[in-house]
Amino acid sequence: QVQLQESGPGLVKPSQTLSLTCTVSGGSISSGSYYWSWIRQPAGKGLEWIGRIYTSGSTNYNPSLKSRVTISVDTSKNQFSLKLSSVTAADTAVYYCARVTHDYGTYYFDYWGQGTLVTVSS
Amino acid sequence: SYVLTQPPSVSVAPGKTARITCGGNNIGSKSVHWYQQKPGQAPVLVIYYDSDRPSGIPERFSGSNSGNTATLTISRVEAGDEADYYCQVWDSSSDHQGVFGGGTKLTVL
Repeated sequence: QVQLQESGPGLVKPSQTLSLTCTVSGGSISSGSYYWSWIRQPAGKGLEWIGRIYTSGSTNYNPSLKSRVTISVDTSKNQFSLKLSSVTAADTAVYYCARVTHDYGTYYFDYWGQGTLVTVSS
Repeated sequence: SYVLTQPPSVSVAPGKTARITCGGNNIGSKSVHWYQQKPGQAPVLVIYYDSDRPSGIPERFSGSNSGNTATLTISRVEAGDEADYYCQVWDSSSDHQGVFGGGTKLTVL
């Protein structure tokens, strides 16, 4: 059973960079044809897809965040990471990492981490 | 970018059938996936590829997709089904990106 766990600071100052790591257990991040994604959810609001990475390092990002987002992968540690620069209060949210399964030209999120709250405040 | 539209709320009595819609331009040409999210918890996949259920999801959950509307149907609704439900597609038209609907709060009366 694949498990994902987010980790990182819960408080980030405005204009700084938010950094989170997702540790995958129960299987190798490199096995199978899976992508790995970050998704966020502001309090009381809906889900917003941030981006995804393949273990080759290939990435896709939400156009609305693309200029500020970097997702990377460390296969030796079975982890992938999120960096979001120049944060503002609008970036305050619960951040989830998730495994992306794909077939027949579509992709869906079949395993999720429990989520971690990141607050942007001085 | 592709837009998915869900009703903010749906209410249903226990034992009845709940239908949650997800609207999008020619959504019938895409595969739609559905997630259930209970308060304080991560989303859980309940339907993928329009109508397939992951193991462990009750048969009461079903899905359909045609034209401009996809529908999640929950039969014989139970109190434990009260949650937020999100539809999701993958938009490969310009840049590959995941797209979620705004979510629907299912209230069991």
